Amino acid sequence: AQTIHQWPVAEIKAVGSPLSLGCTIKGKSSPNLYWYWQATGGTLQQLFYSITVGQVESVVQLNLSASRPKDDQFILSTEKLLLSHSGFYLCAWKDWGGGDTLYFGAGTRLSVL
Amino acid sequence: GDSVTQTEGLVTLTEGLPVMLNCTYQTIYSNPFLFWYVQHLNESPRLLLKSFTDNKRTEHQGFHATLHKSSSSFHLQKSSAQLSDSALYYCALSDRGGSNYNVLYFGSGTKLTVEP
Repeated sequence: AQTIHQWPVAEIKAVGSPLSLGCTIKGKSSPNLYWYWQATGGTLQQLFYSITVGQVESVVQLNLSASRPKDDQFILSTEKLLLSHSGFYLCAWKDWGGGDTLYFGAGTRLSVL
Repeated sequence: GDSVTQTEGLVTLTEGLPVMLNCTYQTIYSNPFLFWYVQHLNESPRLLLKSFTDNKRTEHQGFHATLHKSSSSFHLQKSSAQLSDSALYYCALSDRGGSNYNVLYFGSGTKLTVEP
């Protein structure tokens, strides 16, 4: 069975500090990977997706960047956090080649102060 | 551009009454793929229903929805609400099989609260 793990579970960070959030999927080769952001009380906004190692497409950047260093890993980062970055970050995967269903990780809750 | 509209932000129902959550969409996709995701408190979203077939009812866990391309709608319904149905419901749109199938547009969500 596939498992998706996000780290950390929660972060409290200062404005202007760097950030790195990670996502690892096990039990699935060559998944399509996605980053979503959910502001408190807000909708799910897709940020990035990746269909293969080293390739990342931006949907909405929000002064964030993403990388896929390994087949099973997706990283979201920024060098300088803004207050507006607070929220819930979700990593998700679906089957390569057109699978329909998104499977979400447990998420990382980020508070920027 | 592509978008999903959920008109009700909050819906409060008494247990046993029917549920109807509205979802309409705008798209240039010739093959839109519509989804309903449900998010319970402190959990991640999970798929509830999906459809790309026009005028065909799809059902899961007591919920059902029918994609109507003529009216660009994919409303979620259930005949009798249960307390455990209380959650956030998101309607979402993607392009089935097209160049944009890796982008999923979510509506603003409807918070359903079912009371005893």
